[in-house]
Amino acid sequence: GAGVSQSPRYKVAKRGQDVALRCDPISGHVSLFWYQQALGQGPEFLTYFQNEAQLDKSGLPSDRFFAERPEGSVSTLKIQRTQQEDSAVYLCASSSVSGSGYGYTFGSGTRLTVV
Amino acid sequence: DQQVKQNSPSLSVQEGRISILNCDYTNSMFDYFLWYKKYPAEGPTFLISISSIKDKNEDGRFTVFLNKSAKHLSLHIVPSQPGDSAVYFCAAFSQGGSEKLVFGKGTKLTVNP
Repeated sequence: GAGVSQSPRYKVAKRGQDVALRCDPISGHVSLFWYQQALGQGPEFLTYFQNEAQLDKSGLPSDRFFAERPEGSVSTLKIQRTQQEDSAVYLCASSSVSGSGYGYTFGSGTRLTVV
Repeated sequence: DQQVKQNSPSLSVQEGRISILNCDYTNSMFDYFLWYKKYPAEGPTFLISISSIKDKNEDGRFTVFLNKSAKHLSLHIVPSQPGDSAVYFCAAFSQGGSEKLVFGKGTKLTVNP
């Protein structure tokens, strides 16, 4: 596709429910990133893939968060046993080159609300 | 500890005037800086970047200035247009380190007609 596509756009989850957020990067982009943006804050890094390899997951806030990119294209961010503090916009970005020098292309995000 | 700081949550300017958005950083390992623009309900869009080996980079109406000794950068928009109204994020990373970008909290720019 022409851009990074994220689904769903909005997700309301009851506390304790598991959720899965999907990211379709730009075709051919080797690098894929997940960021979390809380209300009034800037995006915060969660994890980074180069092709199917997860090279950095240092930003995942707890072991309830899990990300995968099994075939080096589509990625899924899974959050188990959601809690209210997980409420945020989850942004996916992709890049055609390794390294952030050219800037990422971000998707529009998934807004997760945990009630 | 916030490594990238945007101390002005909002800025309002008149159309045609200059907009100056500021950003400070604390991590001396950062050597590449980027500005992103974000409209409501959309993802951030890359605007302009600068390497630490430069002190200025210009692209049309947008110019980024870097003062390494002060660990400060600024984005100048001249002339400002109503369509520039958005949230602007400053971001930084270390080219020899992790791929991740560290973002500031953003500055909401409003350009009044």
